[in-house]
Amino acid sequence: AQSVAQPEDQVNVAEGNPLTVKCTYSVSGNPYLFWYVQYPNRGLQFLLKYITGDNLVKGSYGFEAEFNKSQTSFHLKKPSALVSDSALYFCAVSPGRRALTFGSGTRLQVQP
Amino acid sequence: DTAVSQTPKYLVTQMGNDKSIKCEQNLGHDTMYWYKQDSKKFLKIMFSYNNKELIINETVPNRFSPKSPDKAHLNLHINSLELGDSAVYFCASSQDSGTRLQYFGPGTRLLVL
Repeated sequence: AQSVAQPEDQVNVAEGNPLTVKCTYSVSGNPYLFWYVQYPNRGLQFLLKYITGDNLVKGSYGFEAEFNKSQTSFHLKKPSALVSDSALYFCAVSPGRRALTFGSGTRLQVQP
Repeated sequence: DTAVSQTPKYLVTQMGNDKSIKCEQNLGHDTMYWYKQDSKKFLKIMFSYNNKELIINETVPNRFSPKSPDKAHLNLHINSLELGDSAVYFCASSQDSGTRLQYFGPGTRLLVL
């Protein structure tokens, strides 16, 4: 069975500093990997995805993620955090079946 | 022009009642989903329909019954509501093939008293 782990419940970073939100996965076969963001009282918004190809994926709002097959990781990164990036971030995997298996979410808090 | 819409946005009801949540997508997608997000923000798949056929049915009480009248709609009916059903329910859709990118609705916040 597939699974996704987000080891940090919360990540705190100062505005302007780089941020990383960690994600590791376990799946048989080739993974389809996603990051979604959820702002308070809102639905999930797609940020970026990895299907095949270049291991470094660029997405919305300046975010990027690096697929590392040997470490089974797909960490989300941004070179310079904004206060408006504060939200709940979900990593997800879609292996053989279509539905997404989500991680437990990481709350990103960017301090001014 | 909302891609995936859900009604109602908020639903407050008493234990034992029966309620429905509706979902519609105007993206022309083949597959639709229901997810449940609990109070700790865990998101879990409940059901998935592809072209009106049920393809995923997770371990969900049979008080929950999805219905897909056509591929643009996936409704969720819940019988005999319980306190533990309080959660946010998200509908999503995706194209059958390709990247499996899912588009989510705004969520329905269900509170059972």
